[in-house]
Amino acid sequence: ELKVEQNPLFLSMQEGKNYTIYCNYSTTSDRLYWYRQDPGKSLESLFVLLSNGAVKQEGRLMASLDTKARLSTLHITAAVHDLSATYFCAVDRRSGGSNYKLTFGKGTLLTVNP
Amino acid sequence: KAGVTQTPRYLIKTRGQQVTLSCSPISGHRSVSWYQQTPGQGLQFLFEYFSETQRNKGNFPGRFSGRQFSNSRSEMNVSTLELGDSALYLCASSLVTGTGVNSPLHFGNGTRLTVT
Repeated sequence: ELKVEQNPLFLSMQEGKNYTIYCNYSTTSDRLYWYRQDPGKSLESLFVLLSNGAVKQEGRLMASLDTKARLSTLHITAAVHDLSATYFCAVDRRSGGSNYKLTFGKGTLLTVNP
Repeated sequence: KAGVTQTPRYLIKTRGQQVTLSCSPISGHRSVSWYQQTPGQGLQFLFEYFSETQRNKGNFPGRFSGRQFSNSRSEMNVSTLELGDSALYLCASSLVTGTGVNSPLHFGNGTRLTVT
């Protein structure tokens, strides 16, 4: 059974600081996703990471993937209040074809304080 | 381009009743997935449909069922509702290309079901 663990689950940080959220998964995977969810809202896709060593950046967020270590990181640079949200990583493991069956981590609740 | 549309947004039902939730995917998206989100269990996969066929199913009892229509719209049904079925139900659609993938799931705003 595929397991996805995120840490930390809660993160309170000051504006302007840097931090990293970690996502470990238990078995080989085809792809890894990062999503953001604001309170009462749906999930917004941030990144799709497809291969070992993949790195993607959007604004103050950068995601990377190490398939050998089964680890993805979401790095936050110079945090701002608008980044406050819950961040999920999700892993997609397929037996073939293009079936979608994501296993999500528990999420990291990020609060950025002024 | 319109996003994934789920109806209704909120539902209140009593135990033992059944409920049907609806999802219209993004135009051109043929894969539709359903997820249940609860504070305790987090996000859990229910099932995925493509071209009217269920391709994957999560670990939920048979009371949870779904279907997809020829226009890719999907419905999920929960029969004999239990208190524990109270959750946010999220539908997601994705563009599946001939080579098999690469697009993320696009989620709708969800249907919040409360069972009393």
